[in-house]
Amino acid sequence: EPEVTQTPSHQVTQMGQEVILRCVPISNHLYFYWYRQILGQKVEFLVSFYNNEISEKSEIFDDQFSVERPDGSNFTLKIRSTKLEDSAMYFCASSEGVQSNYGYTFGSGTRLTVV
Amino acid sequence: KQEVTQIPAALSVPEGENLVLNCSFTDSAIYNLQWFRQDPGKGLTSLLLIQSSQREQTSGRLNASLDKSSGRSTLYIAASQPGDSATYLCAVWYAGYSTLTFGKGTMLLVSP
Repeated sequence: EPEVTQTPSHQVTQMGQEVILRCVPISNHLYFYWYRQILGQKVEFLVSFYNNEISEKSEIFDDQFSVERPDGSNFTLKIRSTKLEDSAMYFCASSEGVQSNYGYTFGSGTRLTVV
Repeated sequence: KQEVTQIPAALSVPEGENLVLNCSFTDSAIYNLQWFRQDPGKGLTSLLLIQSSQREQTSGRLNASLDKSSGRSTLYIAASQPGDSATYLCAVWYAGYSTLTFGKGTMLLVSP
């Protein structure tokens, strides 16, 4: 079964450093997403991406965050200057479309720890 | 604001019991609803997708129902096993949005 692949599985970074989280969505999917889950809390939407541009973003996704699809396969989330409160599990997801018969496929996540 | 609520927050049952997890949502205009399983510290595994036009979906011992008019979905697990122990998340794709809205989940523990 096709998978969404995320790397690294765990990243520790110092406060103020830049991090890039990487994802390889399913190859025929057109919509890409980043979600995050702070320990013990709900999974929260960050950003959706379609046709090489952001289609929707949440209030969490401020100027410190950016996304990019640098080539035909990778989808990245960059946090420019990490804060302690950015510590969370970050999930990448992809979807074939935005109709009712299409679901999301999530990756296994990157656990980001900011120290 | 669209919300998703799951009850109970936690459930502990002995092996072999049939159980029901509940999910409620605030707007009947949805594309679909997905149930996910999350093991501790791990990713989200999709269990069942119910389209807005459907009433239920089944996969093995799992059955999910959808009642849009009342804003409810249930996940029924038959003959529970210790390997079913995990957190079960309900996520709704509300119409007009490109995002999923998640509930907080139900943490299930099935003891041998």
